[in-house]
Amino acid sequence: NAGVTQTPKFQVLKTGQSMTLQCAQDMNHNSMYWYRQDPGMGLRLIYYSASEGTTDKGEVPNGYNVSRLNKREFSLRLESAAPSQTSVYFCASSRTVNTEAFFGQGTRLTVV
Amino acid sequence: QKEVEQNSGPLSVPEGAIASLNCTYSDRGSQSFFWYRQYSGKSPELIMFIYSNGDKEDGRFTAQLNKASQYVSLLIRDSQPSDSATYLCAVASGGSYIPTFGRGTSLIVHP
Repeated sequence: NAGVTQTPKFQVLKTGQSMTLQCAQDMNHNSMYWYRQDPGMGLRLIYYSASEGTTDKGEVPNGYNVSRLNKREFSLRLESAAPSQTSVYFCASSRTVNTEAFFGQGTRLTVV
Repeated sequence: QKEVEQNSGPLSVPEGAIASLNCTYSDRGSQSFFWYRQYSGKSPELIMFIYSNGDKEDGRFTAQLNKASQYVSLLIRDSQPSDSATYLCAVASGGSYIPTFGRGTSLIVHP
């Protein structure tokens, strides 16, 4: 049982480049999330999808876009990467929005 | 702005002692409360969740919720060095009910 799978695990981008982080879950969860984690800042919500077909902004959405491709997959896109987007990104999923979330293994992104 | 506050620590306890981790939250309409453990370089993993006032026990872990005082605690009995990690509190508040995370408390259990 894979749970939540994120790709890639590591990525280095140059300023201005674009990339998409992929996330898939096999737990038949309705809700999916993208967080970023910076030292001393805890987990901050970027975007979430409460259910298939919906997406909403979280606390720090600027510079990001998301797509809920289907019930299993939720991708995060950086259109023009900036050094301020250097962070560890976690995808998570839960049965519904106020139930326990399960996290992927994270993507460590460095923008130079 | 819904806030979840945790002391960043580190909290240092000897092996075998009880570790007490605390979390306060600002939204009185909060419904669901979660504790996650995160080892360095790893992703958060769920330890416990609690929805109702009072205590919930699972093995060496006890979550305590007091909605009137707006705090939730995690007690770890018989602490082990393997419990050394950062513990994240998350609270799902009214409105979107999306959990908001605190910044975490670093726990060190020394032999």
